[in-house]
Amino acid sequence: QQPVQSPQAVILREGEDAVINCSSSKALYSVHWYRQKHGEAPVFLMILLKGGEQKGHDKISASFNEKKQQSSLYLTASQLSYSGTYFCGTGSNDYKLSFGAGTTVTVRA
Amino acid sequence: DVKVTQSSRYLVKRTGEKVFLECVQDMDHENMFWYRQDPGLGLRLIYFSYDVKMKEKGDIPEGYSVSREKKERFSLILESASTNQTSMYLCASRFDRGEQYFGPGTRLTVT
Repeated sequence: QQPVQSPQAVILREGEDAVINCSSSKALYSVHWYRQKHGEAPVFLMILLKGGEQKGHDKISASFNEKKQQSSLYLTASQLSYSGTYFCGTGSNDYKLSFGAGTTVTVRA
Repeated sequence: DVKVTQSSRYLVKRTGEKVFLECVQDMDHENMFWYRQDPGLGLRLIYFSYDVKMKEKGDIPEGYSVSREKKERFSLILESASTNQTSMYLCASRFDRGEQYFGPGTRLTVT
């Protein structure tokens, strides 16, 4: 079952912050975050394993609340290069990843 | 660098044709996946394989089959293509539960 992402889209000015949420109805082992630019393949950003850890990738960070089966991706001081569609992928106790519908982020100068 | 390649970037087929989409990875990953991507629906898993000759259905397997005869190669087969299978198809591979590497995608149009 696909996780639910929100919001569907967000428009930012350079330097602004945003939060993308991902929630699942299943117990989760891991959450992956990917970014896809137009016409390109999704690119891995980070993986969070159960344990409530938070990770960072430059000024992009994420948290994982396994009890609530939720993850959030934080875009801090956004840059033009942050534009794209962000997908969360959730993994349970097998090797499958189910992806959300995506959140389109547009960063304007 | 991990590389996942797909046989075609663009493909146009007629309704009823049998279609083969090929995917090759060069990092000895056990797990390989086929997704389709449609606007507003994200990436939906069609099939995945965790070893040679092993496969499991994903969320939307109807109308598709797969083949994995060698570890590096995973094929998606549309037995009788239909217009509702027009989509972007993405192959991916991963080692264990690590990060997933995607191929560039095949945009399939069925007319």
